[in-house]
Amino acid sequence: AQSVTQLDSHVSVSEGTPVLLRCNYSSSYSPSLFWYVQHPNKGLQLLLKYTSAATLVKGINGFEAEFKKSETSFHLTKPSAHMSDAAEYFCVVSDRPSGGSYIPTFGRGTSLIVHP
Amino acid sequence: NAGVTQTPKFQVLKTGQSMTLQCAQDMNHEYMSWYRQDPGMGLRLIHYSVGAGITDQGEVPNGYNVSRSTTEDFPLRLLSAAPSQTSVYFCASTKVTGGYEQYFGPGTRLTVT
Repeated sequence: AQSVTQLDSHVSVSEGTPVLLRCNYSSSYSPSLFWYVQHPNKGLQLLLKYTSAATLVKGINGFEAEFKKSETSFHLTKPSAHMSDAAEYFCVVSDRPSGGSYIPTFGRGTSLIVHP
Repeated sequence: NAGVTQTPKFQVLKTGQSMTLQCAQDMNHEYMSWYRQDPGMGLRLIHYSVGAGITDQGEVPNGYNVSRSTTEDFPLRLLSAAPSQTSVYFCASTKVTGGYEQYFGPGTRLTVT
Protein backbone atom coordinates (compact mmCIF):
# COMPACT_ATOMS: atom_id res chain seq x y z
CA ALA A 1 0.00 0.00 0.00
CA GLN A 2 1.14 3.53 -0.63
CA SER A 3 0.34 6.88 0.92
CA VAL A 4 1.67 10.41 0.89
CA THR A 5 1.47 13.22 3.43
CA GLN A 6 2.16 16.85 2.67
CA LEU A 7 2.99 18.28 6.03
CA ASP A 8 1.86 21.85 5.39
CA SER A 9 -1.38 22.96 3.76
CA HIS A 10 -0.02 26.51 3.32
CA VAL A 11 3.51 27.90 3.17
CA SER A 12 4.13 31.64 3.07
CA VAL A 13 7.49 33.15 2.05
CA SER A 14 8.86 36.48 0.94
CA GLU A 15 10.18 36.91 -2.57
CA GLY A 16 13.87 36.06 -2.70
CA THR A 17 13.84 33.76 0.34
CA PRO A 18 14.15 29.95 0.25
CA VAL A 19 11.20 27.64 -0.26
CA LEU A 20 10.69 24.30 1.52
CA LEU A 21 7.61 22.17 0.86
CA ARG A 22 7.57 18.96 2.86
CA CYS A 23 6.39 15.54 1.72
CA ASN A 24 6.56 12.16 3.49
CA TYR A 25 5.55 8.94 1.82
CA SER A 26 4.83 5.32 2.57
CA SER A 27 5.43 2.58 0.05
CA SER A 28 5.72 -1.20 0.01
CA TYR A 29 8.23 -1.13 -2.82
CA SER A 30 10.80 1.22 -4.25
CA PRO A 31 8.51 4.04 -5.24
CA SER A 32 8.45 6.61 -7.98
CA LEU A 33 7.92 10.10 -6.56
CA PHE A 34 6.78 13.26 -8.27
CA TRP A 35 6.08 16.91 -7.60
CA TYR A 36 3.45 18.66 -9.70
CA VAL A 37 2.55 22.35 -9.73
CA GLN A 38 -0.89 23.81 -10.40
CA HIS A 39 -1.28 27.49 -11.11
CA PRO A 40 -4.73 29.03 -10.53
CA ASN A 41 -7.40 27.67 -12.88
CA LYS A 42 -4.87 25.51 -14.73
CA GLY A 43 -4.07 21.84 -15.04
CA LEU A 44 -1.14 20.18 -13.28
CA GLN A 45 2.38 20.32 -14.66
CA LEU A 46 5.30 18.09 -13.73
CA LEU A 47 8.05 19.85 -11.77
CA LEU A 48 10.33 16.87 -11.22
CA LYS A 49 10.39 13.12 -10.66
CA TYR A 50 12.43 10.50 -8.83
CA THR A 51 12.59 7.02 -10.34
CA SER A 52 15.46 5.27 -8.50
CA ALA A 53 18.33 7.08 -10.18
CA ALA A 54 20.10 10.03 -8.47
CA THR A 55 18.59 10.88 -5.09
CA LEU A 56 18.89 14.64 -5.69
CA VAL A 57 16.53 15.51 -8.50
CA LYS A 58 16.55 18.82 -10.35
CA GLY A 59 13.37 20.10 -11.95
CA ILE A 60 12.10 23.08 -13.84
CA ASN A 61 12.19 26.69 -12.65
CA GLY A 62 15.02 26.10 -10.17
CA PHE A 63 13.20 23.56 -8.00
CA GLU A 64 14.87 20.43 -6.68
CA ALA A 65 13.99 17.59 -4.33
CA GLU A 66 15.98 15.00 -2.42
CA PHE A 67 14.82 11.42 -1.97
CA LYS A 68 15.70 10.25 1.56
CA LYS A 69 14.77 6.61 1.99
CA SER A 70 15.74 6.49 5.69
CA GLU A 71 13.37 9.37 6.42
CA THR A 72 10.75 8.39 3.78
CA SER A 73 10.78 12.00 2.63
CA PHE A 74 10.85 13.83 -0.67
CA HIS A 75 10.92 17.53 0.23
CA LEU A 76 10.80 20.19 -2.49
CA THR A 77 13.14 23.18 -2.26
CA LYS A 78 14.09 26.30 -4.16
CA PRO A 79 16.85 28.71 -3.08
CA SER A 80 15.01 31.91 -3.93
CA ALA A 81 11.25 32.32 -4.35
CA HIS A 82 9.78 34.31 -7.20
CA MET A 83 6.31 35.80 -7.35
CA SER A 84 5.47 33.46 -10.23
CA ASP A 85 6.05 30.45 -7.91
CA ALA A 86 2.78 31.17 -6.10
CA ALA A 87 0.70 28.07 -6.82
CA GLU A 88 -0.55 24.75 -5.42
CA TYR A 89 2.03 21.96 -5.22
CA PHE A 90 1.24 18.26 -5.11
CA CYS A 91 3.51 15.42 -4.02
CA VAL A 92 2.67 12.10 -5.70
CA VAL A 93 3.83 8.56 -4.92
CA SER A 94 3.48 5.43 -6.98
CA ASP A 95 4.54 1.89 -6.21
CA ARG A 96 5.75 0.03 -9.22
CA PRO A 97 2.81 -1.03 -11.37
CA SER A 98 1.12 -4.28 -10.53
CA GLY A 99 -0.65 -6.31 -13.17
CA GLY A 100 -0.25 -3.55 -15.72
CA SER A 101 -1.99 -0.89 -13.64
CA TYR A 102 -0.44 2.38 -12.60
CA ILE A 103 -2.31 4.05 -9.75
CA PRO A 104 -0.56 7.04 -8.21
CA THR A 105 -1.58 8.59 -4.90
CA PHE A 106 -1.73 12.37 -4.58
CA GLY A 107 -1.06 14.40 -1.49
CA ARG A 108 -3.64 16.96 -0.47
CA GLY A 109 -1.52 19.83 -1.76
CA THR A 110 0.47 22.74 -0.34
CA SER A 111 -0.46 26.26 -1.28
CA LEU A 112 2.66 28.41 -1.71
CA ILE A 113 2.10 32.10 -1.05
CA VAL A 114 4.84 34.52 -2.08
CA HIS A 115 4.87 38.03 -0.61
CA PRO A 116 6.60 40.93 -2.37
CA ASN B 1 1.02 18.43 -30.31
CA ALA B 2 -2.09 19.60 -28.49
CA GLY B 3 -1.33 17.29 -25.56
CA VAL B 4 -4.46 16.52 -23.50
CA THR B 5 -7.63 18.40 -24.36
CA GLN B 6 -10.86 18.50 -22.39
CA THR B 7 -14.30 19.83 -23.23
CA PRO B 8 -16.26 21.62 -22.00
CA LYS B 9 -14.32 23.99 -19.72
CA PHE B 10 -17.39 24.85 -17.66
CA GLN B 11 -20.74 23.12 -17.21
CA VAL B 12 -23.80 23.62 -15.03
CA LEU B 13 -26.20 20.72 -14.62
CA LYS B 14 -29.42 20.19 -12.74
CA THR B 15 -29.71 17.24 -10.37
CA GLY B 16 -30.60 14.12 -12.33
CA GLN B 17 -29.26 15.27 -15.68
CA SER B 18 -26.60 13.27 -17.48
CA MET B 19 -23.64 14.44 -19.51
CA THR B 20 -20.32 13.36 -20.97
CA LEU B 21 -16.99 15.03 -20.32
CA GLN B 22 -14.70 14.63 -23.30
CA CYS B 23 -10.97 13.93 -23.12
CA ALA B 24 -8.52 13.37 -25.96
CA GLN B 25 -4.75 13.00 -26.21
CA ASP B 26 -2.44 12.98 -29.22
CA MET B 27 0.67 11.51 -27.59
CA ASN B 28 -0.22 7.85 -28.20
CA HIS B 29 -0.16 7.05 -24.48
CA GLU B 30 -1.77 3.81 -23.42
CA TYR B 31 -2.65 4.93 -19.89
CA MET B 32 -5.37 7.50 -19.29
CA SER B 33 -7.12 8.55 -16.10
CA TRP B 34 -9.91 10.72 -14.76
CA TYR B 35 -9.56 12.60 -11.48
CA ARG B 36 -11.74 14.92 -9.49
CA GLN B 37 -10.28 17.75 -7.45
CA ASP B 38 -12.07 19.09 -4.40
CA PRO B 39 -10.71 21.74 -2.00
CA GLY B 40 -8.24 20.27 0.49
CA MET B 41 -8.57 16.76 -0.97
CA GLY B 42 -5.90 16.67 -3.64
CA LEU B 43 -6.79 14.66 -6.73
CA ARG B 44 -8.81 11.48 -6.39
CA LEU B 45 -8.87 8.84 -9.09
CA ILE B 46 -12.30 8.07 -10.58
CA HIS B 47 -11.53 5.62 -13.40
CA TYR B 48 -8.51 4.69 -15.43
CA SER B 49 -7.63 2.78 -18.57
CA VAL B 50 -4.48 0.86 -19.48
CA GLY B 51 -5.37 0.68 -23.16
CA ALA B 52 -8.20 0.64 -25.67
CA GLY B 53 -11.00 -1.61 -24.49
CA ILE B 54 -9.67 -1.87 -20.91
CA THR B 55 -10.98 0.25 -18.03
CA ASP B 56 -11.03 -0.09 -14.27
CA GLN B 57 -12.31 1.71 -11.20
CA GLY B 58 -10.30 4.06 -9.09
CA GLU B 59 -10.93 5.41 -5.61
CA VAL B 60 -14.26 7.20 -6.24
CA PRO B 61 -16.05 5.53 -9.20
CA ASN B 62 -19.67 5.68 -8.06
CA GLY B 63 -21.92 7.71 -10.34
CA TYR B 64 -19.46 7.69 -13.26
CA ASN B 65 -18.94 5.50 -16.31
CA VAL B 66 -16.07 5.37 -18.78
CA SER B 67 -15.25 3.61 -22.02
CA ARG B 68 -12.12 3.49 -24.15
CA SER B 69 -12.80 2.59 -27.76
CA THR B 70 -9.64 4.27 -29.11
CA THR B 71 -6.20 5.11 -27.75
CA GLU B 72 -6.91 8.82 -28.17
CA ASP B 73 -10.28 9.26 -26.44
CA PHE B 74 -11.43 8.59 -22.89
CA PRO B 75 -14.85 10.11 -22.15
CA LEU B 76 -16.33 10.28 -18.66
CA ARG B 77 -20.09 9.95 -18.28
CA LEU B 78 -22.14 11.23 -15.39
CA LEU B 79 -25.22 9.04 -15.30
CA SER B 80 -27.50 11.09 -13.03
CA ALA B 81 -25.80 14.19 -11.70
CA ALA B 82 -25.87 14.92 -7.97
CA PRO B 83 -24.70 18.03 -6.06
CA SER B 84 -21.89 15.90 -4.56
CA GLN B 85 -20.41 15.69 -8.06
CA THR B 86 -19.76 19.42 -8.14
CA SER B 87 -16.01 19.48 -8.65
CA VAL B 88 -13.20 20.16 -11.07
CA TYR B 89 -12.45 17.18 -13.29
CA PHE B 90 -9.05 16.48 -14.80
CA CYS B 91 -8.14 13.99 -17.46
CA ALA B 92 -4.54 12.76 -17.63
CA SER B 93 -2.51 10.55 -19.91
CA THR B 94 0.59 8.77 -18.69
CA LYS B 95 3.91 8.30 -20.45
CA VAL B 96 5.05 4.84 -19.38
CA THR B 97 8.64 5.01 -20.60
CA GLY B 98 10.97 7.07 -18.41
CA GLY B 99 8.97 6.93 -15.22
CA TYR B 100 5.19 7.33 -15.56
CA GLU B 101 5.00 11.08 -16.01
CA GLN B 102 1.40 12.27 -16.23
CA TYR B 103 0.16 14.95 -18.62
CA PHE B 104 -2.98 16.77 -17.52
CA GLY B 105 -5.73 18.51 -19.40
CA PRO B 106 -6.88 22.01 -18.40
CA GLY B 107 -9.88 20.70 -16.45
CA THR B 108 -13.66 20.93 -16.53
CA ARG B 109 -15.40 22.87 -13.77
CA LEU B 110 -18.76 21.22 -13.12
CA THR B 111 -21.52 22.62 -10.95
CA VAL B 112 -24.61 20.55 -10.14
CA THR B 113 -27.57 22.46 -8.73
